[in-house]
Amino acid sequence: EADIYQTPRYLVIGTGKKITLECSQTMGHDKMYWYQQDPGMELHLIHYSYGVNSTEKGDLSSESTVSRIRTEHFPLTLESARPSHTSQYLCASSEAPQGPNSPLHFGNGTRLTVT
Amino acid sequence: RKEVEQDPGPFNVPEGATVAFNCTYSNSASQSFFWYRQDCRKEPKLLMSVYSSGNEDGRFTAQLNRASQYISLLIRDSKLSDSATYLCVVNTGYSTLTFGKGTMLLVSP
Repeated sequence: EADIYQTPRYLVIGTGKKITLECSQTMGHDKMYWYQQDPGMELHLIHYSYGVNSTEKGDLSSESTVSRIRTEHFPLTLESARPSHTSQYLCASSEAPQGPNSPLHFGNGTRLTVT
Repeated sequence: RKEVEQDPGPFNVPEGATVAFNCTYSNSASQSFFWYRQDCRKEPKLLMSVYSSGNEDGRFTAQLNRASQYISLLIRDSKLSDSATYLCVVNTGYSTLTFGKGTMLLVSP
């Protein structure tokens, strides 16, 4: 089993609140990712990181931000949550470089509901 | 055209059946290919990597056809526990993987 953890598991908050979704991995992986997935839909990459102090935006435009101060930690922050942010957020990590032997390991996700 | 496209599903099959899923990808430079399994309201989990020569893991066989840019997954002797959504995943850049929408499989007694 992969050692990657996300908290909280479920979160219900009001519009306008600032929130941070936590993600930590204990595998020493350099690469980390945040995906967003709506029910019945595909995963969309919103942020990724090659390593400490590296962050990149993914394919899906997102109003969230990320930071990578430590290898094991890759939090995602929404400054002002809106109902359109309601979704499941999945954190993942992988060894570098990407290849047939370095797939993604996912955390169990944060299901966010903004009312 | 989407970067990764899968059979829409759902596939409803009886226990013991053989079922095959197809997936096509648009980027001819893609080098990494995977099949993931996702249970309802759970995170995706790696089922198997897909190698150029094709590979097998128990009841599961994956094939890659680079010329036609498609990947397949064959499941033999389906079990109830195989019911899930199967995601085709392809690298479409140096560091990123693109997921297909998934094909849902429902195995019934």
